[in-house]
Amino acid sequence: NAGVTQTPKFQVLKTGQSMTLQCAQDMNHEYMSWYRQDPGMGLRLIHYSVGAGITDQGEVPNGYNVSRSTTEDFPLRLLSAAPSQTSVYFCASSYFEGYNEQFFGPGTRLTVL
Amino acid sequence: DAKTTQPPSMDCAEGRAANLPCNHSTISGNEYVYWYRQIHSQGPQYIIHGLKNNETNEMASLIITEDRKSSTLILPHATLRDTAVYYCIVLYNNDMRFGAGTRLTVKP
Repeated sequence: NAGVTQTPKFQVLKTGQSMTLQCAQDMNHEYMSWYRQDPGMGLRLIHYSVGAGITDQGEVPNGYNVSRSTTEDFPLRLLSAAPSQTSVYFCASSYFEGYNEQFFGPGTRLTVL
Repeated sequence: DAKTTQPPSMDCAEGRAANLPCNHSTISGNEYVYWYRQIHSQGPQYIIHGLKNNETNEMASLIITEDRKSSTLILPHATLRDTAVYYCIVLYNNDMRFGAGTRLTVKP
């Protein structure tokens, strides 16, 4: 099993550009989520999904969109990048909502100029 | 608005037990306590979780006080590879709210 994979590892954007961060898992997990981590801080939940076709907002959803068309994939879209979105983004998955032994990906380091 | 309080940093000698405290005085009766760690800049790694009773697995032990207002994560024989930020988490509306955690440094 590859576990949770994220691409790209690094990305630099200009203000106003859009892009999609990719996340995939091969463990047949129902629950997937996206977090951001700013320097020196803990992780904050952006969006999550309890299964294909179902998504919901977390603590800091503004400026981000998600969709879940398959169990395996959970992409995060930045609609119009802003410097405040400079952060490290982590994707995570677990068997189902409420089963909180989550498996995290390696992260995507995003810089918005 | 994490529901937990942890010291910002701790040191531990290699080979000794590392005891990481966490206060969660507003925890509800059915809320679990989870511990994760983050080594360098990697994604967080699950360690252990518990509700009332003490728990042990291959990585660590979790001691929860009888009133459930605090807990302690114990790494029985810390190694240099245990240097990491350790997060104590209580679920908030089923969200895992990570606070700033405790930066544990294991020294030779």
